[in-house]
Amino acid sequence: KQEVTQIPAALSVPEGENLVLNCSFTDSAIYNLQWFRQDPGKGLTSLLLIQSSQREQTSGRLNASLDKSSGRSTLYIAASQPGDSATYLCAVRDSNYQLIWGAGTKLIIKP
Amino acid sequence: GAGVSQSPSNKVTEKGKDVELRCDPISGHTALYWYRQSLGQGLEFLIYFQGNSAPDKSGLPSDRFSAERTGGSVSTLTIQRTQQEDSAVYLCASSLFQANLESTDTQYFGPGTRLTVL
Repeated sequence: KQEVTQIPAALSVPEGENLVLNCSFTDSAIYNLQWFRQDPGKGLTSLLLIQSSQREQTSGRLNASLDKSSGRSTLYIAASQPGDSATYLCAVRDSNYQLIWGAGTKLIIKP
Repeated sequence: GAGVSQSPSNKVTEKGKDVELRCDPISGHTALYWYRQSLGQGLEFLIYFQGNSAPDKSGLPSDRFSAERTGGSVSTLTIQRTQQEDSAVYLCASSLFQANLESTDTQYFGPGTRLTVL
């Protein structure tokens, strides 16, 4: 059974720092992996999607990598800003096309 | 609007009553998902509709929960005989995902319905 884990559960860093959020999964047979952000009291916004054949995706200050063999993905945020404060979730679509979600990392960027 | 919409945005009900939550996906999206998010918890998958295929109901927590998607568009999630533990935010998402085909899988989420069972 696929399980998705996100570490750390919470992270607080000063503005301007580069940071890395981690997502690990137990079964490497995945279809894709997605990163989302959730702002308090709001729905989720898709950030990046990495197909199983890809190694990374970039969007602005965000870069997501995927290493299927080790069951890991990282979300790199460059030059963090207070507006980046949110909960970041990763989700894996497995070989049965089901989506399995991590519990999220709550990120706080201190001005 | 062009996004996913959900109604109502808030619902307060008494224990034992039935509730219906509505989701209007983005036009043309083949896949529709319902999730539940309890306070301080991650997303819990409930049900997944893919085109005309039989829905994946593996996430429904009990037989009090059911959902339908009419005409491949609007979906309704029904909770019968609500319990206090049903209190949560119910999120709907849609995407162009199609199994076995190269297709984009970016999910677009609605703002959610906050259900409170007294």
